[in-house]
This record gives sequence, C-alpha cells and structure tokens, in this order.
Amino acid sequence: QKEVEQDPGPLSVPEGAIVSLNCTYSNSAFQYFMWYRQYSRKGPELLMYTYSSGNKEDGRFTAQVDKSSKYISLFIRDSQPSDSATYLCALYWTGNQFYFGTGTSLTVIP
Amino acid sequence: DGGITQSPKYLFRKEGQNVTLSCEQNLNHDAMYWYRQDPGQGLRLIYYSQIVNDFQKGDIAEGYSVSREKKESFPLTVTSAQKNPTAFYLCASRQQGGSAGELFFGEGSRLTVL
Repeated sequence: QKEVEQDPGPLSVPEGAIVSLNCTYSNSAFQYFMWYRQYSRKGPELLMYTYSSGNKEDGRFTAQVDKSSKYISLFIRDSQPSDSATYLCALYWTGNQFYFGTGTSLTVIP
Repeated sequence: DGGITQSPKYLFRKEGQNVTLSCEQNLNHDAMYWYRQDPGQGLRLIYYSQIVNDFQKGDIAEGYSVSREKKESFPLTVTSAQKNPTAFYLCASRQQGGSAGELFFGEGSRLTVL
C-alpha cells in the first residue's frame, strides 16, 4: 500500500467552478500537510501548508486536514484558467522524508 | 533573487553514457534533495543531503550518484547502470528544522536516453 494516494484525474471544470482535490494516507505519524502546484515542464511551488488537523484559507484556496480519517483536501473557489496545473499533495513528519501523491491534473475551461 | 538553478533544462544521452545534472542554490539551505518524476508515479526520492560531505540514499538510488562538496551545490550523476533513466529530474532544498518547512524546487531537468 502506498503511503499517499491521490486520484490522478484528469479533472476538467468550467471557469468559476469549485474544485475539490483530495489525498488519503495510511501513516498516522504525518504531522505536516502541503499542497504544491506544478505547471507543465516546471518545478512544483508551494501553495498551502498546514500543521495537524483543521482548515486553512488563503484567498480562493482552502486546505482541509482530517487526521482521524487520514484525508486531506484542497478546495479552489471561483476557479480560473490560470489554475490549470497539476496539484500534488505532500506529507511529512519530523525527521523523515516528504511523501508525495501522484498529482491531479486540473484543466479550467474558459 | 534567491532560488534553485538546475542545468541543463533538456539533455539527451546515448545508452551507456554517464551524465551529470547540476543543482545550485543560493538560499543558504542545509538540506538538498533529488527527485525523479515519471507520469503517474509522483515524485520519488533519489538522494538527499542534510549537511556538506554527507548524503543518504532515497527510495530509488540504484544507478545514481551524488556529491555534496559545497553547501550550495548538489550535482546528480545518472550512470549507465540506471536501466530506465528517461525522466524529469527535480532538485529541491529546504532549511533544516523541527517543522517540515517549505521545500523549494528548481525548474527541473528533462533527460532523454536515445
């Protein structure tokens, strides 16, 4: 069983839609939860960073962590064509390495 | 501007040749990483280094080698022993500490074996 599972998509939505991206994980030791955005042929860039359970909001983006269910989500409100990218979840616990999901490819259609 | 520079961006190699991918950072980060990215497989850790002159194997180190002679530099050599080297390679760095911290990535190097 993989440490982190992420639906690869692809996901295609109309402009203005609410997008929900999700990852599940198996190891309850994970403490830090991140979402990276990767445009085609580029390196990933950090989008959201959360510690432990709860919600974190930044503009149109909301990251949600449910440690009891081992489930993390990223919501994008009022999606824009510029949001078209691959979104990677990443998990970490102290002293260990980062574990990445396979990435979900998102296309926002104007 | 602070960041990570990877070179070359694109590289073609014949079978049996070793190639070295460059990674330089000016963020003064202690830890540096090399990942390989293949479609449908996410990022897989090749090697990482937490301090100068020390590095550890990741999940897929076979056929790769690294060095960390300077804090800002972490080159990756893809040797002829790597059976399927065609991939997108990403270098990353972060500041060491108790928390995860942000992992900063370079723009990547795409290696194609002909």
